[in-house]
Amino acid sequence: EPEVTQTPSHQVTQMGQEVILRCVPISNHLYFYWYRQILGQKVEFLVSFYNNEISEKSEIFDDQFSVERPDGSNFTLKIRSTKLEDSAMYFCASRNRQGASGTEAFFGQGTRLTVV
Amino acid sequence: GDSVTQMEGPVTLSEEAFLTINCTYTATGYPSLFWYVQYPGEGLQLLLKATKADDKGSNKGFEATYRKETTSFHLEKGSVQVSDSAVYFCALTIFGNEKLTFGTGTRLTIIP
Repeated sequence: EPEVTQTPSHQVTQMGQEVILRCVPISNHLYFYWYRQILGQKVEFLVSFYNNEISEKSEIFDDQFSVERPDGSNFTLKIRSTKLEDSAMYFCASRNRQGASGTEAFFGQGTRLTVV
Repeated sequence: GDSVTQMEGPVTLSEEAFLTINCTYTATGYPSLFWYVQYPGEGLQLLLKATKADDKGSNKGFEATYRKETTSFHLEKGSVQVSDSAVYFCALTIFGNEKLTFGTGTRLTIIP
């Protein structure tokens, strides 16, 4: 069964360092997303990506964040200069068509980012 | 804005007990409602969904009914199993909008 794959499963980084979280969406999907969950809080939408550009982003997704689909298979989230408050579980998701009523998004298993 | 409020966890039940996890929502438009589940070490998986009022979503013995009058989508199962131990997330999307709005998740542990 096709699945969304995220690497690494856990990343520890020092404050101020750049990190890249990687995702391989399902191959025929066209819409890609990043979400995050700070421990004990809600899963929050960060950004959606379609046709090689950002289609929507939340207020969390500031200039420190960027996304890229460099090679047609990977979908990456970069944080340029990590802060302690970036520590969270980051989920990648993909969908094969736009979010019409009830369309399912498929999620990866998440990357736990710990900033120290 | 749109929001989802779900029952605080963790919830611990004995096998074969009845399960209810409450979920209520606030939405600016007409939402579709979802329950996602995350088993240990895995990603979020869609458990069930409902796209209009009074619809009942069901899967693996779980059910939830879209109640517009009470803005609720409570998850129920008549007899839980140890394998149901997971984190359950209630979520919504608004038609024409791409993003999911999630609740905080409820960790469910079933003991034999």
